[in-house]
Amino acid sequence: QVQLVESGGGVVQPGGSLRLSCAASGFTFSTYGVHWVRQAPGKGLEWVAFTRYDGSNKYYAESVKGRFTISRDNSKNTVYLQMNSLRAEDTAVYYCAKDRGYSSSPRYFMDVWGKGTTVTVSS
Amino acid sequence: EIVMTQSPATLSVSPGERATLSCRASQSVSGNLAWYQQKPGQAPRLLIYGASIRATGIPARFSGSGSGTEFTLTISILQSEDFAVYYCQQYNKWPPGGPITFGQGTRLEIK
Repeated sequence: QVQLVESGGGVVQPGGSLRLSCAASGFTFSTYGVHWVRQAPGKGLEWVAFTRYDGSNKYYAESVKGRFTISRDNSKNTVYLQMNSLRAEDTAVYYCAKDRGYSSSPRYFMDVWGKGTTVTVSS
Repeated sequence: EIVMTQSPATLSVSPGERATLSCRASQSVSGNLAWYQQKPGQAPRLLIYGASIRATGIPARFSGSGSGTEFTLTISILQSEDFAVYYCQQYNKWPPGGPITFGQGTRLEIK
């Protein structure tokens, strides 16, 4: 079945770095865009970043622009989120989610979500 | 950035009754509106997109309506498994018109 599995979360000090991974299976990964969405403890959902199916375009929330980088390796069916200069306010569960659109026509809403990986930024 | 405002923050309804959740956009998003359900400890699940189109496998008791700035999610006959938090999300004119944004959520609880 269609599945996304996040990994790479953990505890990191302020100013540190972490790389999250999202492994996909059950669908033709190379033809779909992927989002990262986060949820701080007890809070709502916040969109973080998006990569098109081929990695040609990437978009970021203002809150992470310049610190986070989304990338993908279609040969490994995996999307990454490199997070640098981490702050306490980046503490959250990070979900990767498949875009509903197909190939060069993304839809910018999410039809399949992973279970999430927890990032805690604390000294 | 388009701000999405959901109301009420918490809605108390009895099983078997109807629940109506609202979502308002700070500017028109046309019909580019999705609804998600999230249960404790779980990832969100897509319910509705295009303001009124049910996602695959979503029961017919869930329905969405609205366009422009005012949207509604209706659950016609509440089942025990429907008590959860619901989020709306706009995806209008993006990119580059602005980021994807979510509402703050409505918690649907058992009365």
